[in-house]
Amino acid sequence: EPEVTQTPSHQVTQMGQEVILRCVPISNHLYFYWYRQILGQKVEFLVSFYNNEISEKSEIFDDQFSVERPDGSNFTLKIRSTKLEDSAMYFCASSALSYGYTFGSGTRLTVV
Amino acid sequence: GQNIDQPTEMTATEGAIVQINCTYQTSGFNGLFWYQQHAGEAPTFLSYNVLDGLEEKGRFSSFLSRSKGYSYLLLKELQMKDSASYLCAVRPNNAGNMLTFGGGTRLMVKP
Repeated sequence: EPEVTQTPSHQVTQMGQEVILRCVPISNHLYFYWYRQILGQKVEFLVSFYNNEISEKSEIFDDQFSVERPDGSNFTLKIRSTKLEDSAMYFCASSALSYGYTFGSGTRLTVV
Repeated sequence: GQNIDQPTEMTATEGAIVQINCTYQTSGFNGLFWYQQHAGEAPTFLSYNVLDGLEEKGRFSSFLSRSKGYSYLLLKELQMKDSASYLCAVRPNNAGNMLTFGGGTRLMVKP
């Protein structure tokens, strides 16, 4: 069964550092997403990406965040200057149509 | 704003049936999803309802009433491996493919 692949599975970074979270969506999917889940809290939407541009973003997705599809297979989330409150599990997802999302296994980001 | 409510925790017995409810008030509606999430893992898709009524898929069924802003997930013949969090998520009509999640219901299945 096709999978969404995320790397790394764990990332520890110092406050103020930049991090890049990487995702390889399912190859024939057209819609890509990033969500995050702070420990013990609900899954929160960050951004969606379609046709090589951001289609929607939440209030969380401020200027410190950016997304990119650099080479037609990878989909990355960059956090420019990490804060303690950015510590969370970050999930990438993709979908072929407007439903039936497949989530990746997540990157656990810890900011110290 | 968007508001999705579901019970925080439920407990049920192996072999039994359990119903997990979800109520929502959102600025629009273009589908409701149920996901299963084991601790520390990604959500996995269970069901999708966009029209009123019951959708059945093996041991899992999901019901939707749009007029009441209500859905439930029914799990039959519970197994120990069904112990997980169950997430209700709504796609608001004016937000394209974005999903708004509830806080999840942690289900514990006991022998």
